[in-house]
Amino acid sequence: ETGVTQTPRHLVMGMTNKKSLKCEQHLGHNAMYWYKQSAKKPLELMFVYNFKEQTENNSVPSRFSPECPNSSHLFLHLHTLQPEDSALYLCASSQGTRTRFYREQYFGPGTRLTVT
Amino acid sequence: AQSVTQLGSHVSVSEGALVLLRCNYSSSVPPYLFWYVQYPNQGLQLLLKYTSAATLVKGINGFEAEFKKSETSFHLTKPSAHMSDAAEYFCAVTRGAGSYQLTFGKGTKLSVIP
Repeated sequence: ETGVTQTPRHLVMGMTNKKSLKCEQHLGHNAMYWYKQSAKKPLELMFVYNFKEQTENNSVPSRFSPECPNSSHLFLHLHTLQPEDSALYLCASSQGTRTRFYREQYFGPGTRLTVT
Repeated sequence: AQSVTQLGSHVSVSEGALVLLRCNYSSSVPPYLFWYVQYPNQGLQLLLKYTSAATLVKGINGFEAEFKKSETSFHLTKPSAHMSDAAEYFCAVTRGAGSYQLTFGKGTKLSVIP
């Protein structure tokens, strides 16, 4: 595998389900990101992790819970979602140090989530 | 704060014609600017970036963009459109050194007519 991979690529879940999205980067980067891409809206940054520590939570509802066990893996745990949470969820990674992020972000293919 | 405006949510060009996708930015500090492309059912791929070096930036697949500070613009061009260029294009801006905050425009969907 190369680049940034995401699984599953498609997910349909009911509002009472619990599921997780997985992201893995094979680029040796230290920072990882979750974005939400909804129709007709700009990409929304949700969470940022740098060296496994969360550095950004962009006012995301608590029904989304991120986890970063190491610099290569990022998860997004989902529970009691709403239909308006249906979107494409993109993971990205970038290089950097503990205090400085390099600007280029590399994206995975995304998980298309449908909440019924 | 930074912001990006992409003029035209949908642009159609004929195969072989010039591609021009417009991006205007707003930034309180010298910006770093990017163009990303998203093909159907895929993530975003970096096309090119401006990081305060040359104002004319060349990217992949024959695309280039010119940074014009006086016009606060970073328009994307390609001399001759190819069918494979059909995709959605996103302009993004970030603050200066060290920042991870990418602010994206809403995107422009490019259609190429044979």
